[in-house]
Amino acid sequence: DQQVKQNSPSLSVQEGRISILNCDYTNSMFDYFLWYKKYPAEGPTFLISISSIKDKNEDGRFTVFLNKSAKHLSLHIVPSQPGDSAVYFCAASGVYGGSQGNLIFGKGTKLSVKP
Amino acid sequence: EAGVVQSPRYKIIEKKQPVAFWCNPISGHNTLYWYRQNLGQGPELLIRYENEEAVDDSQLPKDRFSAERLKGVDSTLKIQPAELGDSAVYLCASSARTPEAFFGQGTRLTVV
Repeated sequence: DQQVKQNSPSLSVQEGRISILNCDYTNSMFDYFLWYKKYPAEGPTFLISISSIKDKNEDGRFTVFLNKSAKHLSLHIVPSQPGDSAVYFCAASGVYGGSQGNLIFGKGTKLSVKP
Repeated sequence: EAGVVQSPRYKIIEKKQPVAFWCNPISGHNTLYWYRQNLGQGPELLIRYENEEAVDDSQLPKDRFSAERLKGVDSTLKIQPAELGDSAVYLCASSARTPEAFFGQGTRLTVV
């Protein structure tokens, strides 16, 4: 049973527009959420994260929104650039006993930003 | 600062042969992970180390997989014997007591 779900395998957006990538989770014990970006033949690169005590975290063009009641988070990229074209993974973690837990990943969404 | 280093980048072996992957984490990172990523899927944890102790190996297929992290720094993941279904990308990651893990480039294993 998937605990972290990214229901859109792919997304295509025009350069300059907003990209919105969605992620749902089922485990209420998750309290930290992360987004990773992955280019072909490379490892995932950490992008942005959010703690469950917040509902928004912003870093430049990237903003992550968390809706705990809906168990849903989203990543907004504004404005989208062709270099943003990659696979984006949502990941969740639970903090147990003061140390970080394991990251549980979704299957990823492939973003294509067209010039 | 150097990132997580993995070797080899690519490996092709015949089934039933052994294979080993090596990982050097970011300096100072106590936590080291090995993940496996199958095509079209997200990374899945195989084992997590805190220093030299394996604190979670529940997803490691222990009949054929083994791992070690001597002296709490470098780590090696071994498969013996390899099966066709082991073809995947093996990712190593490390972190410094925060949830943010930093990944290496991975080793793409093909078992033929």
